[in-house]
Amino acid sequence: ETGVTQTPRHLVMGMTNKKSLKCEQHLGHNAMYWYKQSAKKPLELMFVYNFKEQTENNSVPSRFSPECPNSSHLFLHLHTLQPEDSALYLCASSLVAGDSSYEQYFGPGTRLTVT
Amino acid sequence: ELKVEQNPLFLSMQEGKNYTIYCNYSTTSDRLYWYRQDPGKSLESLFVLLSNGAVKQEGRLMASLDTKARLSTLHITAAVHDLSATYFCAVSRYPNTGNQFYFGTGTSLTVIP
Repeated sequence: ETGVTQTPRHLVMGMTNKKSLKCEQHLGHNAMYWYKQSAKKPLELMFVYNFKEQTENNSVPSRFSPECPNSSHLFLHLHTLQPEDSALYLCASSLVAGDSSYEQYFGPGTRLTVT
Repeated sequence: ELKVEQNPLFLSMQEGKNYTIYCNYSTTSDRLYWYRQDPGKSLESLFVLLSNGAVKQEGRLMASLDTKARLSTLHITAAVHDLSATYFCAVSRYPNTGNQFYFGTGTSLTVIP
């Protein structure tokens, strides 16, 4: 596998379900991100992890719970979601070195539908 | 908060024509990025611009950066159908704003025969 991979690619879940999205990067990067992309809205940054430590949480509801066990893997745990949470969830990674953060590489995304 | 604005939001252009997409940002940035997204697909990195006056070209696309005006442009030359996609610009100010990337709303480009 190369680049950034995400599984599953499509997910349909009910509002009472619990599921997890997985992201893996094979680029040797040390920063990972979750974004939400809804139709006709700008890309929304949800969480940032630098060197496995969460550094940003942009007012994301607690029904979204991130986990970063190591610098190559990132999870997004989902529970009791709402229909408005239906969106494309994108994972990205980048290299942070010194005082520079380099370009992000994106995974293919998980298309989530909450019924 | 750093804001990024793109215009136009929607662009329909004929094959063979030239056009420019604009990206304005609200405060100083250390680097600017352009991405392409095809429908239902992820974002693909096109250009990274690091300094004032930087110009990069790939095929029919050319990106430039004016840090004094806080403006980047993506110029399309002799458009072809394959360029139909949504184009995003993004800026970062690491470490000033943490490790955050700020994205524009995107420009949806449709190239028609």
